[in-house]
Amino acid sequence: EDKVVQSPLSLVVHEGDTVTLNCSYEVTNFRSLLWYKQEKKAPTFLFMLTSSGIEKKSGRLSSILDKKELSSILNITATQTGDSAIYLCILTGGGNKLTFGTGTQLKVEL
Amino acid sequence: EPEVTQTPSHQVTQMGQEVILRCVPISNHLYFYWYRQILGQKVEFLVSFYNNEISEKSEIFDDQFSVERPDGSNFTLKIRSTKLEDSAMYFCASSEALFLGKPYEQYFGPGTRLTVT
Repeated sequence: EDKVVQSPLSLVVHEGDTVTLNCSYEVTNFRSLLWYKQEKKAPTFLFMLTSSGIEKKSGRLSSILDKKELSSILNITATQTGDSAIYLCILTGGGNKLTFGTGTQLKVEL
Repeated sequence: EPEVTQTPSHQVTQMGQEVILRCVPISNHLYFYWYRQILGQKVEFLVSFYNNEISEKSEIFDDQFSVERPDGSNFTLKIRSTKLEDSAMYFCASSEALFLGKPYEQYFGPGTRLTVT
């Protein structure tokens, strides 16, 4: 069974801090790893990673995949209160379903 | 920007009643999905749907659940006889296509909160 584990489960930081969120996985047939941000409503897409070692960036957020270590990290620099959310790591393996991690709850305080 | 929509946003029903949750996927998308998230727990896959049939379903998706695409735009999830443990947020998602070896992005709707009393 495909499995996704995220750490830490929750994190509280101050505005301006840099955070690194971790995701590790086990999968029988890797297709891609996705990062989503979930606030009060539905998850919103951040990144899709398919190749190892290639960093994806979007503003203050960046992410990279390590297929050898079966893991990915999501970095957020200069955090803002609007970054407070649950960050989901999601695996697409064989077939067309997604396997979700439990998420990391990030709270950014002033 | 196109988006997935879901109705209602919140539904309260009594145990044993049937509920139908509605979703309108993005118009050119071909794959449709239902997920649920019990409060405080992680999002769980329920079912995927393509070409008017279920392509994959999880263990959660038992005989009490069914999905349908009754017309060209709506995608529905029916729960025949709701149980207390069906209380959750239900997310619909859609994606453009699934090509062998090519990953895809799923777009999520805002969710329907189902409360079974």
